[in-house]
Amino acid sequence: GIQVEQSPPDLILQEGANSTLRCNFSDSVNNLQWFHQNPWGQLINLFYIPSGTKQNGRLSATTVATERYSLLYISSSQTTDSGVYFCAVEAGFGNEKLTFGTGTRLTIIP
Amino acid sequence: DAGVIQSPRHEVTEMGQEVTLRCKPISGHDYLFWYRQTMMRGLELLIYFNNNVPIDDSGMPEDRFSAKMPNASFSTLKIQPSEPRDSAVYFCASSLRRQGAAEQYFGPGTRLTVT
Repeated sequence: GIQVEQSPPDLILQEGANSTLRCNFSDSVNNLQWFHQNPWGQLINLFYIPSGTKQNGRLSATTVATERYSLLYISSSQTTDSGVYFCAVEAGFGNEKLTFGTGTRLTIIP
Repeated sequence: DAGVIQSPRHEVTEMGQEVTLRCKPISGHDYLFWYRQTMMRGLELLIYFNNNVPIDDSGMPEDRFSAKMPNASFSTLKIQPSEPRDSAVYFCASSLRRQGAAEQYFGPGTRLTVT
């Protein structure tokens, strides 16, 4: 099956710093989502981005499907950004299953 | 919309007991997914339905696990008998698939502890 790798596994930053999280995948995809799992365990949708670039406030994401990677940018980090960020992909047509990466744990220090 | 609703939010049970987890998908969504999250295995898909019909149950770990979707607004995941290794957070998600969009939305999860 498709492999999804995220880096870095852990990231500790001061409040106000910027960060870039990376997701590499081993095959072509027709769905890619970024999620934030907050400290209470809830999975929150950030972006649905199988290709191209999207922005939502301080967050933006870019997926380069031909090179099989996606990037999540967080600017001016806040303590509420802490948690685990997951990339999940759906490989191939007719395959509706999401395969999750192992996540990046982000800790923002005040 | 209230989003995906799961119940109970927490369940503590003894080994050997039957456990039933419940999910109400977002109204109008035609796909429903059950996932399990553990420290060792991360997030993994157990089973998913399309228009109430099970499509792929290859992720269901054992015959002790079963899932049903009797109608478009309700699904259950049952474990019988439960074992300590079933302890995990179980998520339900739903989506409405259409051209150019297939975003999945997750419920708050059920934290299951089997002692």
